[in-house]
Amino acid sequence: DAGVIQSPRHEVTEMGQEVTLRCKPISGHDYLFWYRQTMMRGLELLIYFNNNVPIDDSGMPEDRFSAKMPNASFSTLKIQPSEPRDSAVYFCASIGLSYNEQFFGPGTRLTVL
Amino acid sequence: KNEVEQSPQNLTAQEGEFITINCSYSVGISALHWLQQHPGGGIVSLFMLSSGKKKHGRLIATINIQEKHSSLHITASHPRDSAVYICAVTGNQFYFGTGTSLTVIP
Repeated sequence: DAGVIQSPRHEVTEMGQEVTLRCKPISGHDYLFWYRQTMMRGLELLIYFNNNVPIDDSGMPEDRFSAKMPNASFSTLKIQPSEPRDSAVYFCASIGLSYNEQFFGPGTRLTVL
Repeated sequence: KNEVEQSPQNLTAQEGEFITINCSYSVGISALHWLQQHPGGGIVSLFMLSSGKKKHGRLIATINIQEKHSSLHITASHPRDSAVYICAVTGNQFYFGTGTSLTVIP
């Protein structure tokens, strides 16, 4: 398996634009997490899915953020409209039933100008 | 070889005990994270450290940059502290320890 795949790796956009981040979890993993990382706030859990169903989205900062997981192999995180304060690295991670190790994707570095 | 090593892997404690979880790393880092993962699957970022010590409630995290070592302490442990605690470091990449499974028995 290639691990957790995220795209794009880097995204630069202007304020007000829609941004869509994509994630392909490791095959067979039941949980998928979206994190955001900034130097100010560190790693923040935004939302996680279990078997494609959103379980806890309490970390989603506001209504401009939305996440979907239409099937077990794909998830999106959308920001509309984007703002400069959304600039961060967004990580997707997946985990299987062992709970002993979580696999993170390489992250998407988002810059909103 | 893992870039981040945690010890112990498993820990059982009686309620009220003082708990220490250790994390050693071998790479250059900009920050070290302690994460808490409950059986339900969610992970909470407990601390992000680049130096010194941080405290939040009954949790204390310390880091020694020279020794490349961090500790997470839990004072007056409680059954609700039962979780997997994960040390992660951020450098050029994001490296995670394999976690310490903590069970606090009433």
